[in-house]
Amino acid sequence: DTGVSQDPRHKITKRGQNVTFRCDPISEHNRLYWYRQTLGQGPEFLTYFQNEAQLEKSRLLSDRFSAERPKGSFSTLEIQRTEQGDSAMYLCASSTRTSGEAGTDTQYFGPGTRLTVL
Amino acid sequence: ILNVEQSPQPLHVQEGDSTNFTCSFPSSNFYALHWYRWETAKSPEALFVMTLNGDEKKKGRISATLNTKEGYSYLYIKGSQPEDSATYLCAFHPSSGGYQKVTFGTGTKLQVIP
Repeated sequence: DTGVSQDPRHKITKRGQNVTFRCDPISEHNRLYWYRQTLGQGPEFLTYFQNEAQLEKSRLLSDRFSAERPKGSFSTLEIQRTEQGDSAMYLCASSTRTSGEAGTDTQYFGPGTRLTVL
Repeated sequence: ILNVEQSPQPLHVQEGDSTNFTCSFPSSNFYALHWYRWETAKSPEALFVMTLNGDEKKKGRISATLNTKEGYSYLYIKGSQPEDSATYLCAFHPSSGGYQKVTFGTGTKLQVIP
């Protein structure tokens, strides 16, 4: 068990560029989550997958954000036309289904990708 | 928007002191409450998942209690050590609205002074 990994750990980009982040969950985990944390705030939910299906997506998420989890393994989060307000820590977590609802799963987090948009 | 608040903010204690954090959340519509520990430059680590009113959970020197009727959870660290220095986050899951309604507090940053 190597834990949840995220790549890259840091990303600096210019406004208007596209960026893509990758998350590799713990291998047997079928649920995968993306969160965003800005300075001084708690993490904010972005989206969640069960296997390859994207089950929920935050209504606060603009259409510049898209996430995929092909084959139910790793996941990518893409941000198109980045804005300075997208600067944040992007966290990925995974869990294994223990009940019908994801809210009681123990989640294992990756170290995050820190995005800075200049 | 759900109101999840954590206190105190921040917290500095001497090594050996016991500490107590509070997470308050809406008392209606409760499903689950999670506690996490997040050390600087590391990944958040799950401490407890609490689902029942009156739950008490313990892991080593750290314990947590839950009161869903009044909408709060306490996290207690007995005999704080410098390695306990971290930010402690709670996350509230309501019973309706789906997983996307999960709301994290802003965390309590604990520094244990040797």
